Amino acid sequence: DAGVIQSPRHEVTEMGQEVTLRCKPISGHDYLFWYRQTMMRGLELLIYFNNNVPIDDSGMPEDRFSAKMPNASFSTLKIQPSEPRDSAVYFCASSLFTGGRSGELFFGEGSRLTVL
Amino acid sequence: AQKVTQAQTEISVVEKEDVTLDCVYETRDTTYYLFWYKQPPSGELVFLIRRNSFDEQNEISGRYSWNFQKSTSSFNFTITASQVVDSAVYFCALSEAGSGYSTLTFGKGTMLLVSP
Repeated sequence: DAGVIQSPRHEVTEMGQEVTLRCKPISGHDYLFWYRQTMMRGLELLIYFNNNVPIDDSGMPEDRFSAKMPNASFSTLKIQPSEPRDSAVYFCASSLFTGGRSGELFFGEGSRLTVL
Repeated sequence: AQKVTQAQTEISVVEKEDVTLDCVYETRDTTYYLFWYKQPPSGELVFLIRRNSFDEQNEISGRYSWNFQKSTSSFNFTITASQVVDSAVYFCALSEAGSGYSTLTFGKGTMLLVSP
């Protein structure tokens, strides 16, 4: 079975450019999470969705960041305009919450973003 | 204050040594879950174990074992007879009833380097 699929794996862009990261969760999973990983701050939750609805976006650092989930099989994280401090690895994860399986996240391989 | 503290930033051992990765958590909830994830050099986080707050039994899975002690708010992870393939960053995480168990708060990780 396919896992969580993220694209692109690597992105290098210049400050001010728009960046769009994509995620396809595992089929049947009803939760989708976007995390950001940096050396300084570790893994930070940016936003998560339940049944395609954003539930908590308190981790989104600024209005420059936005996320959408138009359907159960696709989500995007957009940064516009991008800044050098946005350089990080962005992870998408999905899960199926059923009692005892609560919290077992399946992660994608991440999208490494470098903003010059 | 951090909810999940992994005081060891980096540990280096020689193959076949035993190694323990420490995790201390903080929560006001009486019901919660604790997790360990492994992040190998490929980057994708991989789930290792989930433990709920009512189950303090230690768990062993092959060379891996986990020691959960509520009295000290710790959930330590031991690798017995370490191997080079164990080299990775290991994350401890907490999921609380207060968030509906929907989100995981990760520690900053411990990088384990096992040399031949």
